Amino acid sequence: AQSVTQLGSHVSVSEGALVLLRCNYSSSVPPYLFWYVQYPNQGLQLLLKYTSAATLVKGINGFEAEFKKSETSFHLTKPSAHMSDAAEYFCAVSKPSGTYKYIFGTGTRLKVLA
Amino acid sequence: DAGITQSPRHKVTETGTPVTLRCHQTENHRYMYWYRQDPGHGLRLIHYSYGVKDTDKGEVSDGYSVSRSKTEDFLLTLESATSSQTSVYFCAISESVAGSYNEQFFGPGTRLTVL
Repeated sequence: AQSVTQLGSHVSVSEGALVLLRCNYSSSVPPYLFWYVQYPNQGLQLLLKYTSAATLVKGINGFEAEFKKSETSFHLTKPSAHMSDAAEYFCAVSKPSGTYKYIFGTGTRLKVLA
Repeated sequence: DAGITQSPRHKVTETGTPVTLRCHQTENHRYMYWYRQDPGHGLRLIHYSYGVKDTDKGEVSDGYSVSRSKTEDFLLTLESATSSQTSVYFCAISESVAGSYNEQFFGPGTRLTVL
């Protein structure tokens, strides 16, 4: 069975500081992995996805994530936080075939301090 | 933006009443999903569809039913709403074409309150 764990339900960083949001997964087959962002009162928007083509994935808004098979991790980073990055972030895992269902993590709410 | 709409966007209802939420897409995608979002739980899959009249249960399907009579519409029904079904409901779509990598596109959500 697949599962996703996001460590830290709330993370606070200062504006300009490094953003690091953690995601660990378990999967019996090589997975697809995703990071989504949700701004208040909105739906989810895809930030980036890992599909085995490259272990370092670059996404929108300056975010990137590195797939580490040995650590079963897919942490999301951004070198310099901006106030507009304040949102909730979700990690999700999917099998590469079948019904394409996602398993989501419980989310991390990012707060950016001025 | 993917063409996904949800209706209604907000609804307040009473315990025991039936409620139907609608998801409409203009992308002609094969797969459609209903999730609920609750604090501390992230998004949890209620039901999904892999084609017209083809549906299956997700991890939190008790108390919910779905129907898909057309590619573009996926209905979620609460036969007899309970307070535990107060939540934000999201619809998502995806397509199994080369290069899509299972990416799901999400609607704007429906906030449902059951009193």
